[in-house]
Amino acid sequence: KAGVTQTPRYLIKTRGQQVTLSCSPISGHRSVSWYQQTPGQGLQFLFEYFSETQRNKGNFPGRFSGRQFSNSRSEMNVSTLELGDSALYLCASSYFGEPGEQYFGPGTRLTVT
Amino acid sequence: KQEVTQIPAALSVPEGENLVLNCSFTDSAIYNLQWFRQDPGKGLTSLLLIQSSQREQTSGRLNASLDKSSGRSTLYIAASQPGDSATYLCAPSGTYKYIFGTGTRLKVLA
Repeated sequence: KAGVTQTPRYLIKTRGQQVTLSCSPISGHRSVSWYQQTPGQGLQFLFEYFSETQRNKGNFPGRFSGRQFSNSRSEMNVSTLELGDSALYLCASSYFGEPGEQYFGPGTRLTVT
Repeated sequence: KQEVTQIPAALSVPEGENLVLNCSFTDSAIYNLQWFRQDPGKGLTSLLLIQSSQREQTSGRLNASLDKSSGRSTLYIAASQPGDSATYLCAPSGTYKYIFGTGTRLKVLA
């Protein structure tokens, strides 16, 4: 069974731009969670989707948004990028999301210049 | 608000030693707790999941215990190897999300 895939793996953007990251969960998994990882703040929860519905959201500004499609693939979008958005963005999938056991993708390394 | 602390923050040991990594959390109302390892610049690899009704889980040289009432979990690594070098993260679960500790950075010397 293929693991969680994230695209792109690396991204360089300029302040003020927007970016969309994609996550494909393990086949059959319906819950997708997104996390931001930085050296200073560690791993922080962004949001979780299950069957196209956002069920929980972390403490991030409205510039961070996400969605989930009917095939469980998920995207997250960051608008008006700031330097502080530079981070490793990780997506995780689980079967039920009660939460169940989470499996992580390799992440997208975003650099904002 | 759930807060997770991992002690020690960093650890360096010679190969072959048995290790204990500690995780404490403030809110005992959790569904389960998961231990992960992370290699530099990479994603997280799931090691063990302990359901809230369980006391421990074992996988190979790894054993994790959970004491929900006291807000503690430990990860025991037997006969450590250089390949165990990584950052270890514990994550108790809340409502549809996991809260992560800051991790223990482990280095096993050959």
